[in-house]
Amino acid sequence: GAGVSQSPRYKVAKRGQDVALRCDPISGHVSLFWYQQALGQGPEFLTYFQNEAQLDKSGLPSDRFFAERPEGSVSTLKIQRTQQEDSAVYLCASSSSGARTMGTQYFGPGTRLLVL
Amino acid sequence: GNSVTQMEGPVTLSEEAFLTINCTYTATGYPSLFWYVQYPGEGLQLLLKATKADDKGSNKGFEATYRKETTSFHLEKGSVQVSDSAVYFCALSEKSGGGADGLTFGKGTHLIIQP
Repeated sequence: GAGVSQSPRYKVAKRGQDVALRCDPISGHVSLFWYQQALGQGPEFLTYFQNEAQLDKSGLPSDRFFAERPEGSVSTLKIQRTQQEDSAVYLCASSSSGARTMGTQYFGPGTRLLVL
Repeated sequence: GNSVTQMEGPVTLSEEAFLTINCTYTATGYPSLFWYVQYPGEGLQLLLKATKADDKGSNKGFEATYRKETTSFHLEKGSVQVSDSAVYFCALSEKSGGGADGLTFGKGTHLIIQP
């Protein structure tokens, strides 16, 4: 069956450019997460949605980062005025569970962003 | 805050050797613990998990036991194969089972199995 998909898989941006990264979660999954993975590091939590509601955005590194999930399915992570330190792999994960139940997070392949 | 510390790699072993990858954690409450694996060119996959103290997670010959007294969740396998070569991440979730709470990951351990 279809897993979590992300697009584009690779993105090269010039410093100062805006980028938009897309995540298509597994159909019907309530929860959606974004993570940032720097080279040689583990993923770090950015933000969490339950359906269309963004319940936690404590991991977003600055106000240049913005995420949305307007219809409770597809999500977009937008980075404005990209900086070189934004270069990383951005991972999306989804889960069938809501906020207080157990479940497994299924990860997409990631979008590798390189800011020049 | 929460944190996960795992042994640094790369770890290089011969086929059929015994594997241990150490993982310790710091958490304020009662976390659930996970091992994720990333095979070359693929996304992160859940390998196993444990949600309370003394639980043992197991999958594909890998095992890990949730040790609250030592705040550890070491990954073990009795006889590794070349196909086990991958990056392994230990992770925790502070609240209810990791379903809808952000995971805190370790830095990952690159495992290389030589024939």
